[in-house]
Amino acid sequence: DQQVKQNSPSLSVQEGRISILNCDYTNSMFDYFLWYKKYPAEGPTFLISISSIKDKNEDGRFTVFLNKSAKHLSLHIVPSQPGDSAVYFCAASATSGTYKYIFGTGTRLKVLA
Amino acid sequence: ETGVTQTPRHLVMGMTNKKSLKCEQHLGHNAMYWYKQSAKKPLELMFVYSLEERVENNSVPSRFSPECPNSSHLFLHLHTLQPEDSALYLCASSHTSGANTGELFFGEGSRLTVL
Repeated sequence: DQQVKQNSPSLSVQEGRISILNCDYTNSMFDYFLWYKKYPAEGPTFLISISSIKDKNEDGRFTVFLNKSAKHLSLHIVPSQPGDSAVYFCAASATSGTYKYIFGTGTRLKVLA
Repeated sequence: ETGVTQTPRHLVMGMTNKKSLKCEQHLGHNAMYWYKQSAKKPLELMFVYSLEERVENNSVPSRFSPECPNSSHLFLHLHTLQPEDSALYLCASSHTSGANTGELFFGEGSRLTVL
């Protein structure tokens, strides 16, 4: 049973438009969420995070929104650029002393020039 | 060198071979991890070491044996693997303080193929 789900395996967006990547989770104990980006033949790189005490966190073109009641988070990329084409993973953890980040299966974003 | 480095980047081995994957972190972190990434599956946590002590072992078969000699180095010893063990093995590190685990910093991965 997957605790973190990314239901869209792929997404195509025109350059300059908004990319919205979604992530749902089932465990109400999760209180810290991260997004990672992965290019082919490279390891995932940290992008942005959000704690459950917030509902929004922004870093440049990237914004993560958290809806705790819906157990849903989303990553917005505005404006999308061709270099953003990658696989995006969301991850969740419960900051209760464990070291376990649970990852989703990823969404492949393709930004079309 | 900075970050998390993994060697080798690619490894092909037979089912009777013994090999090891190596990971080194230059970030001063106090926790290191092995993850497995198989096609169309989430990243699966295999092992976690905090301050060189194994704190998590996610029911991984004994044919995978981790070793953490110090806070900067992590190994994954492989023996009598199966073809279904073919995957990308990712090492990561983080700085953990009390109950808070910081972001994971990943290496580029070791692509393992078992024949």
